[in-house]
Amino acid sequence: GAVVSQHPSWVICKSGTSVKIECRSLDFQATTMFWYRQFPKQSLMLMATSNEGSKATYEQGVEKDKFLINHASLTLSTLTVTSAHPEDSSFYICSARDAGGPYEQYFGPGTRLTVT
Amino acid sequence: AQRVTQPEKLLSVFKGAPVELKCNYSYSGSPELFWYVQYSRQRLQLLLRHISRESIKGFTADLNKGETSFHLKKPFAQEEDSAMYYCAPDPESGGGADGLTFGKGTHLIIQP
Repeated sequence: GAVVSQHPSWVICKSGTSVKIECRSLDFQATTMFWYRQFPKQSLMLMATSNEGSKATYEQGVEKDKFLINHASLTLSTLTVTSAHPEDSSFYICSARDAGGPYEQYFGPGTRLTVT
Repeated sequence: AQRVTQPEKLLSVFKGAPVELKCNYSYSGSPELFWYVQYSRQRLQLLLRHISRESIKGFTADLNKGETSFHLKKPFAQEEDSAMYYCAPDPESGGGADGLTFGKGTHLIIQP
């Protein structure tokens, strides 16, 4: 089946630094990828839609300068949390949609970000 | 905007008992809905979708337009069903290709 990977799975960084999270579709091409954020014991909240070769679309309330998204190829999207602060600590999950199949999103395992 | 409500944050039932996880939607048109499941320490995965009318792992969900509901049901719960369950509308039924807007989720606990 379709597999989505994320790297790293867990990262700790100091306040003020930037962190890049990668999302890859391993066995299919994804023209569209999505980034979600999940706080402990809460549901996933959509942050942005990442389209290959174009600018990402951000949900209301998500700072695009804070969460930089790049979708440079059909198998890779990256999320960079710039100038991270402790309140950015969360679980970040990506998903990818198979360009050649019916609508279904395949989810990555998530990346736990802890900002100290 | 398409919205779903999952009124129960936590549902605990005994093994072998019937399970019903509630999901109500609040938008017009022809709704298409999903149920996603997240087992402990595993990634989120699609459980079933309304349009396919499948039964996955013994779970079924029927769209009830009169009650605007898409409840997830299983006649006999198993311990391995313990997980977080999320209801979500199909973004494409709204004419777009947006990401998923999940309900708040229901934590299902199956007691032995």
